[in-house]
Amino acid sequence: KNEVEQSPQNLTAQEGEFITINCSYSVGISALHWLQQHPGGGIVSLFMLSSGKKKHGRLIATINIQEKHSSLHITASHPRDSAVYICAVSGPRYQLIWGAGTKLIIKP
Amino acid sequence: SQTIHQWPATLVQPVGSPLSLECTVEGTSNPNLYWYRQAAGRGLQLLFYSVGIGQISSEVPQNLSASRPQDRQFILSSKKLLLSDSGFYLCAWTVRGAGGYGYTFGSGTRLTVV
Repeated sequence: KNEVEQSPQNLTAQEGEFITINCSYSVGISALHWLQQHPGGGIVSLFMLSSGKKKHGRLIATINIQEKHSSLHITASHPRDSAVYICAVSGPRYQLIWGAGTKLIIKP
Repeated sequence: SQTIHQWPATLVQPVGSPLSLECTVEGTSNPNLYWYRQAAGRGLQLLFYSVGIGQISSEVPQNLSASRPQDRQFILSSKKLLLSDSGFYLCAWTVRGAGGYGYTFGSGTRLTVV
């Protein structure tokens, strides 16, 4: 079993829909990260959180430490949101332990 | 500002040839540095990390090696590439800030071994 599990693996939605991507982890962490990877491979950090909820524009990330679960939400989704979204957790040496990613496609 | 430079962006190398990927960091000192690899269809995996000059820790046995000759320079090398070395290589560094360690990523190198 992977230490970081994401679901769904693939997600296709229509423009405007509310999107939820889930992440569960099985290790102790110092922080959880949500990242975005574009087709060219470049990775951008979206959120780093260790408790509660963070919001940036149309993106919202939540974490439940007791349940070892986090969600990434996108409101009013847009085709430019299409990308791979990756959940990762910070390990004991501050290295990232990565989920396999969720490929999101938003159709116009 | 804090930035990270990684090159080359793409690379096609024959089996058995050597490899050198370089990553340099600007805007900080004594960062933790990391090399990750993403094989086709899989998640990223930690290869090496470094907490200081000359200090390298390896996470996965392989024919790759890493070096940190300067505080802000991290190099990934191989003497003889294998087909299985193909993948996306990502350099990253962390800096301690409010709420923990934030990450900055290089733009990545897509390596194809033929």
